Amino acid sequence: EPEVTQTPSHQVTQMGQEVILRCVPISNHLYFYWYRQILGQKVEFLVSFYNNEISEKSEIFDDQFSVERPDGSNFTLKIRSTKLEDSAMYFCASARVTGNVYEQYFGPGTRLTVT
Amino acid sequence: DAKTTQPPSMDCAEGRAANLPCNHSTISGNEYVYWYRQIHSQGPQYIIHGLKNNETNEMASLIITEDRKSSTLILPHATLRDTAVYYCIAPNTGNQFYFGTGTSLTVIP
Repeated sequence: EPEVTQTPSHQVTQMGQEVILRCVPISNHLYFYWYRQILGQKVEFLVSFYNNEISEKSEIFDDQFSVERPDGSNFTLKIRSTKLEDSAMYFCASARVTGNVYEQYFGPGTRLTVT
Repeated sequence: DAKTTQPPSMDCAEGRAANLPCNHSTISGNEYVYWYRQIHSQGPQYIIHGLKNNETNEMASLIITEDRKSSTLILPHATLRDTAVYYCIAPNTGNQFYFGTGTSLTVIP
């Protein structure tokens, strides 16, 4: 069964550094998402992406964040100048869309630790 | 998003049916209800979705009231591996899922 994959599983970075989190969505899906979950807190929507552009983003997704689909298979989240509070699990998802139904399938996550 | 409310926690005996309720009284006519679960810190796992008819798949059944103000997710024969946090989601755009605090289900041996 196709799955969303994410790399790396764990990323440690120093405050102020840039990180790129990578995701390979399910191959025939056209909608892509990033969510994050700070330890012990809710899963929070960051951004959705369709047709090579952002379709929705939350207040969390400020100028520090960017997304890209650099080729036909990868979907990336870049965090510039990381802060301590960016430490979280980051989940990528892709959706099979049928009419008004968005079945989102999530990857296993990347644990980002900013020191 | 339509606001959803779920009990914070529930227990269920192994092998019994787990019935997880969700209130979504502000849901609009074309908003679907989705259920996901999260085991430990793994990625949320899709379970089922529905609009107004009851739905069943290999994982669960979803019962939606006629007025669509509430729904119940049924795991027919709960196992220890079903211990997880279960989320009921009613996104108004379909594109942005709001995960609340969900229901923490503990299946007891």
